[in-house]
Amino acid sequence: AQSVAQPEDQVNVAEGNPLTVKCTYSVSGNPYLFWYVQYPNRGLQFLLKYITGDNLVKGSYGFEAEFNKSQTSFHLKKPSALVSDSALYFCAVRDPNAGGTSYGKLTFGQGTILTVHP
Amino acid sequence: EAQVTQNPRYLITVTGKKLTVTCSQNMNHEYMSWYRQDPGLGLRQIYYSMNVEVTDKGDVPEGYKVSRKEKRNFPLILESPSPNQTSLYFCASSLLAGGLTNEQFFGPGTRLTVL
Repeated sequence: AQSVAQPEDQVNVAEGNPLTVKCTYSVSGNPYLFWYVQYPNRGLQFLLKYITGDNLVKGSYGFEAEFNKSQTSFHLKKPSALVSDSALYFCAVRDPNAGGTSYGKLTFGQGTILTVHP
Repeated sequence: EAQVTQNPRYLITVTGKKLTVTCSQNMNHEYMSWYRQDPGLGLRQIYYSMNVEVTDKGDVPEGYKVSRKEKRNFPLILESPSPNQTSLYFCASSLLAGGLTNEQFFGPGTRLTVL
């Protein structure tokens, strides 16, 4: 069964500093990985995804993420945080090799609250 | 404007009173899904649909029903709601071209309270 973990409930950084939001996953083969962001009282918005190819993927709002197969991780990063980046971040995983009724499942982590202080 | 709409946005109901939350998308997406969001638990998938008349259970399907009679609509039905179904519900959709590699577009959410 596929699963994803976000080990930190909260991450606090100062504006201008680099930020990292951690994500680890478990699937039977090669995963499809996604990051979404939820701003207060809003729905989720897509940030970036890893499907195949380059381990470093770039996304919206200056975010990037690094796929590390050996560590089964897909950490979200940004070189210089902004106060406006403060939000709830979700990592999600798909197992394209899942069979039967599990094929279309998408599993989310529990979310990480990012707070960027001025 | 490309969007996923949900109705109602807020609903307070009582235990056992059947309700339906509607979801509609105007992007001609094949894939649609329902999630519930609870503090500390993140988003959990309830049901998903790969196309018209094709639905499958997610991770927490108990107490919910869905149907997909038209491509654009994917209603979530609670036949006999209970207080443990109090939650924030999101509908989402995506294209299926390229397999399941595409990102999902989310609706604004429906906050349901069951008393």
